[in-house]
Amino acid sequence: EPEVTQTPSHQVTQMGQEVILRCVPISNHLYFYWYRQILGQKVEFLVSFYNNEISEKSEIFDDQFSVERPDGSNFTLKIRSTKLEDSAMYFCARRGQGAREAFFGQGTRLTVV
Amino acid sequence: KQEVTQIPAALSVPEGENLVLNCSFTDSAIYNLQWFRQDPGKGLTSLLLIQSSQREQTSGRLNASLDKSSGRSTLYIAASQPGDSATYLCAVRGGAGGTSYGKLTFGQGTILTVHP
Repeated sequence: EPEVTQTPSHQVTQMGQEVILRCVPISNHLYFYWYRQILGQKVEFLVSFYNNEISEKSEIFDDQFSVERPDGSNFTLKIRSTKLEDSAMYFCARRGQGAREAFFGQGTRLTVV
Repeated sequence: KQEVTQIPAALSVPEGENLVLNCSFTDSAIYNLQWFRQDPGKGLTSLLLIQSSQREQTSGRLNASLDKSSGRSTLYIAASQPGDSATYLCAVRGGAGGTSYGKLTFGQGTILTVHP
């Protein structure tokens, strides 16, 4: 199955600025996820999104973060006021019904300076 | 809380060797386990998915096994090639009260280098 497409591939932003990371699922899967990977660390779960609402979120996903699917296709992750520690690779993932495999995008590398 | 551990952290082998990567998880109430490959600075490519009811899955030179009761999985790579060099990640879905559509919990990964 095709992977999801993420844009941009790399974003550099100043501390305190808002960023929006985008994910375009190619098929009509129902479950979407955001994960992040700080350099040299494990891939960490941020949030899952099902039927246009958040179904689960981690302690990392605080009020600075939000997700939405504004036009029924793109799936976005917004960070309102970026911090240096938000620098990481952010991955979007999708999966279908049942306990099936997850497919990940190529990631967006976010660098906060 | 589900914890996933991978051993070894790094492995360097000559081309042609068969090798085994190990993954263990603390809560055996999982729905499935997935092995991924990650090239430097790149995304995650799914290699194999094993459902909780299965014992193993094969794809080409890759074979993954699952012993759910003991909380272990292995990824066997036959006749390794330099192109297999990458980081291999193990991830489980479920455990610690998680759902069948819930998050994946990842291990730290094994960095594999296959030299000619």
